[in-house]
Amino acid sequence: GQQLNQSPQSMFIQEGEDVSMNCTSSSIFNTWLWYKQDPGEGPVLLIALYKAGELTSNGRLTAQFGITRKDSFLNISASIPSDVGIYFCAGQLIRGSGNTPLVFGKGTRLSVIA
Amino acid sequence: DAGVIQSPRHEVTEMGQEVTLRCKPISGHDYLFWYRQTMMRGLELLIYFNNNVPIDDSGMPEDRFSAKMPNASFSTLKIQPSEPRDSAVYFCASSRKTRLGLAGDQETQYFGPGTRLLVL
Repeated sequence: GQQLNQSPQSMFIQEGEDVSMNCTSSSIFNTWLWYKQDPGEGPVLLIALYKAGELTSNGRLTAQFGITRKDSFLNISASIPSDVGIYFCAGQLIRGSGNTPLVFGKGTRLSVIA
Repeated sequence: DAGVIQSPRHEVTEMGQEVTLRCKPISGHDYLFWYRQTMMRGLELLIYFNNNVPIDDSGMPEDRFSAKMPNASFSTLKIQPSEPRDSAVYFCASSRKTRLGLAGDQETQYFGPGTRLLVL
């Protein structure tokens, strides 16, 4: 099935550093979502973006919906050990008739070294 | 509010056995999704329901897989017979129908904790 191109696949960073990851798609979405998955748990929604060009923050997290509607990035500032996990981007086309299934990237595995 | 509930959390079975995974969506949500997650393929949508009706089952791997949603608060994913390549984490997610064009009025999918399946 369709998938998004998410990069990088993994990152090892020092505590306190900023992190950036992104997703690109060959098709247009009108919703971009970023999830975090902790070991043994399901993905948890971090940020949802609904408009092209939109920049949204949630604490130390900032995400942007690309102007072309084919990409999005997520930034984490001043990383801390609990930021460790797998981050997934997901695209969705929401129409008047209702939801379409999410299309997921393969994830970015983040490791934070204290 | 309780989130999406899945059971069992872990399942170990032998090849050829029937496996049944269960999901209780968030109350009031009218979409339900079944996903499979593996290291190789990431998160894959298997099937989704709207108002208990299967809408798209194109992601179901083969006839050994079947899913039902007899009512708004319960769904099952069944594998019969199971095979070692079915080993994965299976997630259920639910959401409400959205209304396009109203900022902040769009709901997205909330995931359960998953069922980790190992077929020996």
